[in-house]
Amino acid sequence: GDSVTQTEGPVTVSESESLIINCTYSATSIAYPNLFWYVRYPGEGLQLLLKVITAGQKGSSRGFEATYNKETTSFHLQKASVQESDSAVYYCALGPMSNYNVLYFGSGTKLTVEP
Amino acid sequence: DMKVTQMPRYLIKRMGENVLLECGQDMSHETMYWYRQDPGLGLQLIYISYDVDSNSEGDIPKGYRVSRKKREHFSLILDSAKTNQTSVYFCASSWGGFSNERLFFGHGTKLSVL
Repeated sequence: GDSVTQTEGPVTVSESESLIINCTYSATSIAYPNLFWYVRYPGEGLQLLLKVITAGQKGSSRGFEATYNKETTSFHLQKASVQESDSAVYYCALGPMSNYNVLYFGSGTKLTVEP
Repeated sequence: DMKVTQMPRYLIKRMGENVLLECGQDMSHETMYWYRQDPGLGLQLIYISYDVDSNSEGDIPKGYRVSRKKREHFSLILDSAKTNQTSVYFCASSWGGFSNERLFFGHGTKLSVL
């Protein structure tokens, strides 16, 4: 089936360190999935961080980057230098390239950035 | 103000009671969704609504029903709640039904069924 597997949390890093949260996907019924990262800050709802709809392309937002790698079926989230305000739960998701807007989410990775 | 509002934020019910979770959005979005998330699992789609009275089952609809009588409101109903429906429920909305569109989420409702 279609699914997403991401780094199990919680993950704790120190401010200004680099970060990578792994995400791999299985898209057996979706030929060309769209890939997303959503983030949930404390006390808030999930919000879109970045999306990439074309294999080989990179998306970026708020200092985060993710590259859509069709060969390795991966969409890892990276940031060179994290800040305390990046503490949140990060969700990788994939969706079909169709009219039916269903997203398959990973279980989320809780990130804590220590000062 | 581009907001999705869920009520209530926390809810405790006894097994067999009826549960109503409400969701509203102020963006006139056509499409609305109900997801649930259990510990260690991703968000799972319960129902999707494409507009007023145009609802479709998601991946885990059993034990749930929905109502959408106004574009701004989408309700999730549990008739005779079960303990395995203890979960965090998220409502979301988007402009249309296209798969690359951004979803706007509510804060979530944490439901405990005892």
